[in-house]
Amino acid sequence: DIQMTQSPSSLSASVGDRVTITCRASPGITNYLAWFQQKPGKVPRLLIYSASTLQSGVPSRFSGSGSGTDFTLTISSLQPEDVATYYCQRYNSVPFTFGPGTKVDIK
Amino acid sequence: EVQLVESGGGLVQPGGSLRLSCAASGFTVRDYYMSWVRQAPGEGLEWVSVTYIGGTTSYAESVKGRFTIFRDDSKNTLHLQVNSLRADDTAVYYCARAPYSANYRGVIDLWGQGTLVTVSS
Repeated sequence: DIQMTQSPSSLSASVGDRVTITCRASPGITNYLAWFQQKPGKVPRLLIYSASTLQSGVPSRFSGSGSGTDFTLTISSLQPEDVATYYCQRYNSVPFTFGPGTKVDIK
Repeated sequence: EVQLVESGGGLVQPGGSLRLSCAASGFTVRDYYMSWVRQAPGEGLEWVSVTYIGGTTSYAESVKGRFTIFRDDSKNTLHLQVNSLRADDTAVYYCARAPYSANYRGVIDLWGQGTLVTVSS
């Protein structure tokens, strides 16, 4: 059974904090992993692809790592405009399943 | 301008049908993987269907046999025919572009604004 899980489901952090979100893929997907940001009422936006490649125009405080089954999205210094829900997605083969999302807000 | 504009959503009774459309501008849909992704109210993203560059299609199990994705290359438009609708199909339906290149390898890089489908009696 193909599954994408994320942890935590939500977090609250202070401006300037380092934030880490984890995504686990079952089965493994080498590095066919993307991260999307969706701000309230907005369309999703691609942040990271190939697990660690920053999409053009995305601030450098965002980074991704991992391979196989375990992946991480890191925001090095949380900013107020980063309040959003973050989703991982596998795209190596169908179904192109999304993770359940991690909601990030400011403490 | 490179963009995707969806249309065709609305209120439909259970068992009903709709055809969703996604008009592309600034690029050619037949040169990309094109997907539909939906989001139920207050919920997460759910991948629904994809059509590949060659025209092959795939579907999520939840919609297989009820939904059909197809392109109209003459109008540079993507469609999703949705039949036998159920209450749990209620969602915003997004059209999305995914370039296949050495770098992008089919990751979604462009989303439309979405069209809302509400299934209710």
